[in-house]
Amino acid sequence: DTAVSQTPKYLVTQMGNDKSIKCEQNLGHDTMYWYKQDSKKFLKIMFSYNNKELIINETVPNRFSPKSPDKAHLNLHINSLELGDSAVYFCASSPPRGSYEQYFGPGTRLTVT
Amino acid sequence: AQSVAQPEDQVNVAEGNPLTVKCTYSVSGNPYLFWYVQYPNRGLQFLLKYITGDNLVKGSYGFEAEFNKSQTSFHLKKPSALVSDSALYFCAVRDMGGNTPLVFGKGTRLSVIA
Repeated sequence: DTAVSQTPKYLVTQMGNDKSIKCEQNLGHDTMYWYKQDSKKFLKIMFSYNNKELIINETVPNRFSPKSPDKAHLNLHINSLELGDSAVYFCASSPPRGSYEQYFGPGTRLTVT
Repeated sequence: AQSVAQPEDQVNVAEGNPLTVKCTYSVSGNPYLFWYVQYPNRGLQFLLKYITGDNLVKGSYGFEAEFNKSQTSFHLKKPSALVSDSALYFCAVRDMGGNTPLVFGKGTRLSVIA
C-alpha cells in the first residue's frame, strides 16, 4: 500500500494554464506538507497543514493555493502557470510533533512550456 | 533562523570503504536533526534522526550519524559503502521549540564506485 500518493506523476502544460496536483496519505497523520524541488535539487517548504488548517505558508506566490478537504488530502492548485514553476513538487505527511520524520510522496514533475 | 550546510556537492568512495557525508546546522534553540536519501526519480526516504539522548544514532541500511553539539554537526556515516548507496543525501533541521518548518540542506550526491 502506498503511504503517500500523488497524482499526476508528470504534468506538462503551457504558460498561463491552471493545474492541480493531488496528494493523499493513508498513514493517519495530522500534518501534511508541500515542497518544491528545483532543477538544482534544492528542496524548500511551501505549505504545511495541520488537521486541515494552514500552519506554515512560506513566501510562495498567491497563484499557489493549497486545499485540504480532509486531513488525509492536501491538494495544490496553481493558477496562471509560469516557466519558473517548472520543478518537482513533493507532498509529505507526519504526525504533528516536530520530532517526527516526514513521509514523502513520489513527486510530481511539472514542466511549463 | 534555521539553516543547514552540506559543504560537499559530491562525495566519491570506493565500495567497501567507509563513507562520511557532512552536515552542520544552525538553530536558535535545540535541534531536531534528520537525514533523508533520494534515489533517482523518487521521493525522499527517511534514514535516521536525532531528537535527544545518545549522540550516536543508528538508522536504516547500516547508516549512522553522530550529533556533536559543540561543533553543531550531524555527519552521516557508514562503515562499508555499497554501490547501491549511491544517491542524493539531504540533512535537515528543525528547531525544537515552536512550529517551525523543516529546513533542508542543498544535498550531497554520493557515488560509490565498484
